[in-house]
Amino acid sequence: TQLLEQSPQFLSIQEGENLTVYCNSSSVFSSLQWYRQEPGEGPVLLVTVVTGGEVKKLKRLTFQFGDARKDSSLHITAAQPGDTGLYLCAGEEMSSNYKLTFGKGTLLTVNP
Amino acid sequence: DAGVIQSPRHEVTEMGQEVTLRCKPISGHNSLFWYRQTMMRGLELLIYFNNNVPIDDSGMPEDRFSAKMPNASFSTLKIQPSEPRDSAVYFCASRPGLGTQYFGPGTRLLVL
Repeated sequence: TQLLEQSPQFLSIQEGENLTVYCNSSSVFSSLQWYRQEPGEGPVLLVTVVTGGEVKKLKRLTFQFGDARKDSSLHITAAQPGDTGLYLCAGEEMSSNYKLTFGKGTLLTVNP
Repeated sequence: DAGVIQSPRHEVTEMGQEVTLRCKPISGHNSLFWYRQTMMRGLELLIYFNNNVPIDDSGMPEDRFSAKMPNASFSTLKIQPSEPRDSAVYFCASRPGLGTQYFGPGTRLLVL
């Protein structure tokens, strides 16, 4: 079973600060997905990265897939209270019928 | 469009009782997933179906858990008998082919 380690587990920052959260594994994934989950709701997909070294931007969010396709990072610039939530990474493996393995998440709180 | 629909949204039951969770996937999606989320273990895949056929049930904790998908628009996850350690949020998700997984709002289960 592939494991995805996310860090930090908890992060509390002030509005306007920048932050980076990490997702690491010893396994290679065919793709890696980032989700955000708000209280009382299911996770919602933010982005999928497929190619090693790939960088994708979604407004103030920048996602990077490691060259070896084992790790990923999410950087948020000028965080806003609306960014508050649980950020989950999930690895997809072709050999396991494309099922997803999720990390435990980073709980981000952005204080106004 | 209606998203993934789960019922009930909340369930409180006593140890030993049978619990049935229900899911209606998004129309046209041919894959359906059941997940369990806890603070300790994060989001874990229990079972998934493709075209109503169970493909991988390796995540089902034990024989007390069973899942069915009698048709393309309905699935159930049953726990019998329930135990306090089954308390968690249970999510259903559906996916069209190899596309994005869409999660339902979850069922919050508390077993006393």
